[in-house]
Amino acid sequence: NAGVTQTPKFQVLKTGQSMTLQCAQDMNHEYMSWYRQDPGMGLRLIHYSVGAGITDQGEVPNGYNVSRSTTEDFPLRLLSAAPSQTSVYFCASTDRDRDNSPLHFGNGTRLTVT
Amino acid sequence: GESVGLHLPTLSVQEGDNSIINCAYSNSASDYFIWYKQESGKGPQFIIDIRSNMDKRQGQRVTVLLNKTVKHLSLQIAATQPGDSAVYFCADPAFSGGYNKLIFGAGTRLAVHP
Repeated sequence: NAGVTQTPKFQVLKTGQSMTLQCAQDMNHEYMSWYRQDPGMGLRLIHYSVGAGITDQGEVPNGYNVSRSTTEDFPLRLLSAAPSQTSVYFCASTDRDRDNSPLHFGNGTRLTVT
Repeated sequence: GESVGLHLPTLSVQEGDNSIINCAYSNSASDYFIWYKQESGKGPQFIIDIRSNMDKRQGQRVTVLLNKTVKHLSLQIAATQPGDSAVYFCADPAFSGGYNKLIFGAGTRLAVHP
């Protein structure tokens, strides 16, 4: 049981390049989320999903796309990277919307856009 | 303004001392709170939670106190160890609208000195 796995751990992009941040969980969680964390700030919600085929926008969705074709995977796509997207990205998952089911986080992808 | 926030950005303690990290909330309807710990280079990790029908909940070396009158909760760490050095976040699922889209403040950084 690996929990939430994110790949890659580090990535450097040039402005305008595209890439996909991968996230997979093996806990059969229905809910998955993407956050970004900038220095000295808390985590901000980008997109989230309550199940396969269902996604919704969070607090800072612009510049990012997501899809949820399976329960296990929730990739985050940057279509045209910008320096403002330099950040650490965390994927998280949880069971149904209930108590005693806190978010489980991956260890993040550190992205630098030059 | 942020309605789930922490009073101090940084807390420095001596190894062996007790640590107290505070958090205020504004939603009177909030009935469940979660504390997370984030070590350097890692994703946030669940520590302990508390429901509003409790004033206190204890874990291993950690205690969370909830004061509903003043909408305040605190995380107490007994006999603080170097491994407790991290950023601590409190989260309120009712405020953010769900367990999978938690809102986190900037957190409190706990620095443990030998």
